[in-house]
Amino acid sequence: KAGVTQTPRYLIKTRGQQVTLSCSPISGHRSVSWYQQTPGQGLQFLFEYFSETQRNKGNFPGRFSGRQFSNSRSEMNVSTLELGDSALYLCASSFGQGWSYEQYFGPGTRLTVT
Amino acid sequence: DAKTTQPPSMDCAEGRAANLPCNHSTISGNEYVYWYRQIHSQGPQYIIHGLKNNETNEMASLIITEDRKSSTLILPHATLRDTAVYYCIVYNFNKFYFGSGTKLNVKP
Repeated sequence: KAGVTQTPRYLIKTRGQQVTLSCSPISGHRSVSWYQQTPGQGLQFLFEYFSETQRNKGNFPGRFSGRQFSNSRSEMNVSTLELGDSALYLCASSFGQGWSYEQYFGPGTRLTVT
Repeated sequence: DAKTTQPPSMDCAEGRAANLPCNHSTISGNEYVYWYRQIHSQGPQYIIHGLKNNETNEMASLIITEDRKSSTLILPHATLRDTAVYYCIVYNFNKFYFGSGTKLNVKP
């Protein structure tokens, strides 16, 4: 069974630009969650999508948004990029909503904002 | 709100048991304790989770104190491939509390 895939793996953007990251979950998984990981803040929860609806959201500004498609694939968008948005962005898929189900993480997208 | 604290790093000899502690002194009754690990350049990997009782699976054992204020993840026979950052996470439906992680160095 193929794992969670994220594209692109690496990305360099400049301040003020916007970026879209993609996540393809494990086949049969209906939930996709997004996380930001930085050396200073560690792992932080962004949001979770289940059956195309956002079910849960962390404490991030509105510049961070996402969506989920009918095939459970998900995209995350960050607008008006800031230097502090440089991070590893991880997505995780699971069979059901929330952490009652095991989370399977992808390898992440490394975003660098210059 | 529950917070988790973990030692920043630990060493363990290959073949020996690795015991990784986590303090979650403000945990509430319906909050679960999860453990994930992250090997360099990979996404986190699920290890084990529990609520009140001790748990064991093929990877590890989780010991939760009776008052639930702390827990210990036990890797019974650590190998070099267990070198990773181990995260203790307290979860309650819509809230996550990630620890800063413990870097476990397994040495030959």
